[in-house]
Amino acid sequence: AQSVTQLDSQVPVFEEAPVELRCNYSSSVSVYLFWYVQYPNQGLQLLLKYLSGSTLVESINGFEAEFNKSQTSFHLRKPSVHISDTAEYFCAVTRVSGGKLIFGQGTELSVKP
Amino acid sequence: DTGVSQDPRHKITKRGQNVTFRCDPISEHNRLYWYRQTLGQGPEFLTYFQNEAQLEKSRLLSDRFSAERPKGSFSTLEIQRTEQGDSAMYLCASSLAGNPGGSPYEQYFGPGTRLTVT
Repeated sequence: AQSVTQLDSQVPVFEEAPVELRCNYSSSVSVYLFWYVQYPNQGLQLLLKYLSGSTLVESINGFEAEFNKSQTSFHLRKPSVHISDTAEYFCAVTRVSGGKLIFGQGTELSVKP
Repeated sequence: DTGVSQDPRHKITKRGQNVTFRCDPISEHNRLYWYRQTLGQGPEFLTYFQNEAQLEKSRLLSDRFSAERPKGSFSTLEIQRTEQGDSAMYLCASSLAGNPGGSPYEQYFGPGTRLTVT
C-alpha cells in the first residue's frame, strides 16, 4: 500500500519570499509522484509530475520539485511566490502500473502582500 | 476538448434519499475515476473504470454506493439511503491509457459535485 504525508497543513508566507511545501511518501513498490493545485472554488489541476529521468522537475509557473528516493520525499519549492499562488496544494502518488492516485492531506499556501 | 464535466455541481438532499451524479470525461479518455473529498482532506479514491470495466473499488465504497459506465463514455455514481457522513465533494477524473502518446498517469479532474445531506 502507498501513503502520502504532507508535513504542513498551512504555510503562510509573504509575497516574493521563497517557499517549500514538504511531501513524504511510503510505498513497497515503485511509484510516480505528482503535485496538484486547487485554487479557491476551482477543480484540481496537475502542477507537475515525476515519472522518470531527471529527479528535478519544473512547472511552467516557476514551481519545482525534487524526487529523493533515499528520503522518500518530493518537496515542492518556489524561489519567489506571488499573491496568485495562494491555493491548496496536494502531493499524490500512483503505482508505476497505474490506477488510483493516493493523495496527501493538502497544504494551504497563503501568500500575503 | 471541453475537459471533464460533472452534473450537478451542487446537491442538497435529505438523509435517506437516493442521489445520482454524472461525469462526462474528456472525449477520447478511456479511464474514469471517482474520488471523494471532505473538508480539510485530500481526495480519497472510490473506484475507476477502463472503458466499461470497473477495475478497482475502494473499501470506502459501501454497499450503498454504486458506479456504472455502461458504454465506456459517461459514468454515474449513485448513493442510496444517504447519510450525513456522505456529505462531501465528489470528484471525477479521466485519463488516457494504452494509446500512443497517452499517459494513464495524468488524471484530469472535473469541478466536482458538492453533496450536502441534511
